Amino acid sequence: AQTVTQSQPEMSVQEAETVTLSCTYDTSESDYYLFWYKQPPSRQMILVIRQEAYKQQNATENRFSVNFQKAAKSFSLKISDSQLGDAAMYFCAYRSANGGGGADGLTFGKGTHLIIQP
Amino acid sequence: SAVISQKPSRDICQRGTSLTIQCQVDSQVTMMFWYRQQPGQSLTLIATANQGSEATYESGFVIDKFPISRPNLTFSTLTVSNMSPEDSSIYLCSVAARLLPNTEAFFGQGTRLTVV
Repeated sequence: AQTVTQSQPEMSVQEAETVTLSCTYDTSESDYYLFWYKQPPSRQMILVIRQEAYKQQNATENRFSVNFQKAAKSFSLKISDSQLGDAAMYFCAYRSANGGGGADGLTFGKGTHLIIQP
Repeated sequence: SAVISQKPSRDICQRGTSLTIQCQVDSQVTMMFWYRQQPGQSLTLIATANQGSEATYESGFVIDKFPISRPNLTFSTLTVSNMSPEDSSIYLCSVAARLLPNTEAFFGQGTRLTVV
């Protein structure tokens, strides 16, 4: 079974600064997908960014980028120019590329609560 | 994209009773998932619900406690049976496309359940 670990229960950053959220995972599979989801107080899960394991290039989405280190099984999220609206819980998630049963679902880390200081 | 409507958004229930949560999607989807998010915790997959077949449950979750229906490609229900205070959680419905595993999973806004 796959596991996802987020070692930072809470992070705080000044508005306009840069912050990096850590995520490591454990898997025996070679093909999979990684995601970062954001959950604001509204409870709505919002996709921030995704990464295919077979791609060496790190994904970027505007102010959000990842540092994907496949050999180290590390998938960190960098948020540049932090904004007040970025405050939320951030979850790292893993999905197998080999479908069937629960393998189609997401395995989540415990989350990191991101606080933005004005 | 998919828009998911979950009902009820919240409920307070007596122990020993059951609650059925509904999940309606605005488009036909192959795979629907039910997750539980205990207070201050992450999301844990309860089961995968595919239309026309029995739901597939994850370790620690059983059909007698969490029966699931999937009558068509746009609708599913999750029942939390014989509730106890330990069942107090947020329950979320999610959908995804099997043939496109790199696509995002969409989530409903969840049902906040409190058992007293």
